[in-house]
Amino acid sequence: QPALTQPASVSGSPGQSVTISCTGTSSDVGAYNYVSWYQQHPDKAPKFMIYEVSNRPSGVSSRFSGSKSGNTASLTISGLQAEDEADYYCSSYTSANTYVFGTGTKVTVL
Amino acid sequence: QVQLQESGPGLVKPSETLSLTCGVSGASVSRSNWWSWVRQPPGKGLEWIGEISHSGSTNYNPSLKSRVTISLDTSNNQFSLKLNSVTAADTAVYYCARDYTAYVPWGDWGPGTLVIVSS
Repeated sequence: QPALTQPASVSGSPGQSVTISCTGTSSDVGAYNYVSWYQQHPDKAPKFMIYEVSNRPSGVSSRFSGSKSGNTASLTISGLQAEDEADYYCSSYTSANTYVFGTGTKVTVL
Repeated sequence: QVQLQESGPGLVKPSETLSLTCGVSGASVSRSNWWSWVRQPPGKGLEWIGEISHSGSTNYNPSLKSRVTISLDTSNNQFSLKLNSVTAADTAVYYCARDYTAYVPWGDWGPGTLVIVSS
């Protein structure tokens, strides 16, 4: 199962918004609303940020939001802050009853 | 608050079997949830290895399925990963995780443990 496609990097200045795309197929992202997003700081375990495309777990800032259109999901970070600098991964449930991660995106705060 | 902690050898020889355990506190592995293993080679992205349900059902990444076994140890409230015939490509940080809800697999994570495959 090939990984979902994400841009290698995105950047923005503090206070700006950035959007990360996550492109899959009609067998994963396009088939289900089971897209999640994870934030990972260096040498740390991933942190659960978004589930079911656009829902935030308790404790996650409202600056993080998710959406989906067709086979592409997106994560938007609004009001970018220095602490948002990290790697971000999407994931999706698939029609094969498995899960697949995205390739990962490094967010840089300029 | 659930806590997960990976444990096992940090060095495994090529062609041997990698064995890791995930100790769980704050939740029962036999009562509910799905329990997963995820790995991350140094400097690379995340890869889902597989999962096991509280009742012992399993699902595996097709690319690893022939070499992977995930099992429950309910008496010790833990679950385990065995990956056989390892090569240098299996060198990675291995994470255990608990699902958040159905089809949302990784709400809680362990800190991870680095396993190096080398002779």
